[in-house]
Amino acid sequence: AQTVTQSQPEMSVQEAETVTLSCTYDTSENNYYLFWYKQPPSRQMILVIRQEAYKQQNATENRFSVNFQKAAKSFSLKISDSQLGDTAMYFCAFMKPITSGTYKYIFGTGTRLKVLA
Amino acid sequence: EPEVTQTPSHQVTQMGQEVILRCVPISNHLYFYWYRQILGQKVEFLVSFYNNEISEKSEIFDDQFSVERPDGSNFTLKIRSTKLEDSAMYFCASGKLASYEQYFGPGTRLTVT
Repeated sequence: AQTVTQSQPEMSVQEAETVTLSCTYDTSENNYYLFWYKQPPSRQMILVIRQEAYKQQNATENRFSVNFQKAAKSFSLKISDSQLGDTAMYFCAFMKPITSGTYKYIFGTGTRLKVLA
Repeated sequence: EPEVTQTPSHQVTQMGQEVILRCVPISNHLYFYWYRQILGQKVEFLVSFYNNEISEKSEIFDDQFSVERPDGSNFTLKIRSTKLEDSAMYFCASGKLASYEQYFGPGTRLTVT
């Protein structure tokens, strides 16, 4: 069974600094997708960034970038120039196809990030 | 930009009562999902629905749960006889044909007392 591990339950970073959140996963699949979601206190799930496993190039979205190491099954999120609004719970997620073109997410346990003023 | 909507945003119910959580997926999407997040825990897959039937369900999705697409727009999750441990955030998601992308709704917070 696929698992997603986030080994850092909590992290903090000074405003404007850079922070990296780690995520590892376990799968025997070759075709899958990886995501980072942000969950603020409202508990809404906000997509931060995604990576297709077949792409070697690391995804970037403005201040957010990933370090995808397929052989090591590692998918870390780097947040540059941290802002107070980045304070949230961050979930790493693995997605795989199931049946009939459907997919399902498997989430990690999350990392609570606090950006300090 | 189209989005998934869920109602109500917060539902309080007594143990043993039936509850129906409603979702309106994005209009041209064909795949529908429910996920659950118990407070302080990770988001967990409950069920996927396609072509008017369940395509996969998790161990959590037992006989107390059912899903339905009663008309062309709504997608519902029914819990027949709620338990205290059903208290959680329930997220609906939808996806379109030939795409892995899923779009989450804002969630319904269910509190069972």
